[in-house]
Amino acid sequence: KQEVTQIPAALSVPEGENLVLNCSFTDSAIYNLQWFRQDPGKGLTSLLLIQSSQREQTSGRLNASLDKSSGRSTLYIAASQPGDSATYLCAVGGGYNTNAGKSTFGDGTTLTVKP
Amino acid sequence: DTEVTQTPKHLVMGMTNKKSLKCEQHMGHRAMYWYKQKAKKPPELMFVYSYEKLSINESVPSRFSPECPNSSLLNLHLHALQPEDSALYLCASSQDLSGAYNEQFFGPGTRLTVL
Repeated sequence: KQEVTQIPAALSVPEGENLVLNCSFTDSAIYNLQWFRQDPGKGLTSLLLIQSSQREQTSGRLNASLDKSSGRSTLYIAASQPGDSATYLCAVGGGYNTNAGKSTFGDGTTLTVKP
Repeated sequence: DTEVTQTPKHLVMGMTNKKSLKCEQHMGHRAMYWYKQKAKKPPELMFVYSYEKLSINESVPSRFSPECPNSSLLNLHLHALQPEDSALYLCASSQDLSGAYNEQFFGPGTRLTVL
């Protein structure tokens, strides 16, 4: 059974700092990994999708990497802003050992960026 | 347009009521999902539809009844719910269940309170 862990559970940084969020998973036979942000009481916003054959994806100040062999992904946020404050979730897309429709989510990292 | 819409935004119902949640997307996606999310927890998969057919049912109680009347619409019929069913219900869609390209897009959710 796939297990996804996100460390740290919470992170508080001053504005302007670069930061890294971590996601680890136990079964490397995955189709993809997706990073989301969620504001309190809202839906999930897709940030980046990394396909299993890719090593990284970039969107603006965000860069996500994937190392399937070690079961790890990182989300790098450059020059953090107060508007980046949210909960960040990684979701591992169902792979060869499970159903393609099933994503396994981590518990998330709650980020606070202080002005 | 990467929008998934959900109605209503909020719903309060008694344990004997019957209500429905609605979800709509116009991205031409052929996979649609229902998730349940409790406070400070990641989303839990409930159902997945692929090409209007139920593909995954995560052993959800029968008081939750999904319906996919066409490729753009997804309903969740609720009957005789329990207070512990109070949660944020999220709908999502993706191109299909082909695997690596399966980026999920979420709606804003329906906040359900069962009295």
